[in-house]
Amino acid sequence: GQQLNQSPQSMFIQEGEDVSMNCTSSSIFNTWLWYKQDPGEGPVLLIALYKAGELTSNGRLTAQFGITRKDSFLNISASIPSDVGIYFCAGLYGGSQGNLIFGKGTKLSVKP
Amino acid sequence: EAGVAQSPRYKIIEKRQSVAFWCNPISGHATLYWYQQILGQGPKLLIQFQNNGVVDDSQLPKDRFSAERLKGVDSTLKIQPAKLEDSAVYLCASSPRLAHAGELFFGEGSRLTVL
Repeated sequence: GQQLNQSPQSMFIQEGEDVSMNCTSSSIFNTWLWYKQDPGEGPVLLIALYKAGELTSNGRLTAQFGITRKDSFLNISASIPSDVGIYFCAGLYGGSQGNLIFGKGTKLSVKP
Repeated sequence: EAGVAQSPRYKIIEKRQSVAFWCNPISGHATLYWYQQILGQGPKLLIQFQNNGVVDDSQLPKDRFSAERLKGVDSTLKIQPAKLEDSAVYLCASSPRLAHAGELFFGEGSRLTVL
């Protein structure tokens, strides 16, 4: 079945640094989404991408839908302590009634 | 706007016991999902409802898990009998009818520990 590979699994960065993470799959997806999960909370949608090659920003976050439709990237610029959490990529399969498959997450820790 | 409500937040049971989780989606959201999130993993879909009908339950272990959304609003997920590997956070999510597919609003989850 479909599987998403997220990397890195975890990362420690200095406050103010830029962060990059990515998600790859052997399957093609028509929609890529990025969610963030804080401890004890449910995931919250950050960015949704609907077209191959699409580049979308949400504040300090920028995500891209890979041209092959098999990957996506998330960048965070000028990280701050509240960026700490787990970032999940998710790919949508199954058309308009489709469902999400999530990656295993990238755990971000920021050194103040 | 009130978010997705779930209860209980925490539950500890022994294996072979039963447990039920409740979810009230955001008002007006037609689609409701139950996800299972095992520690260190991403959420995995168990079942999707559109109003009170099941859209996808292909990954629901039907020998022990059941879910219903009788009036098309709130939903209950039941596990009977529970196994050790059912220890996880059970997340409920909802989405409005006209939303882009995949744009989900999650509740805080119900954490289940099976001893």
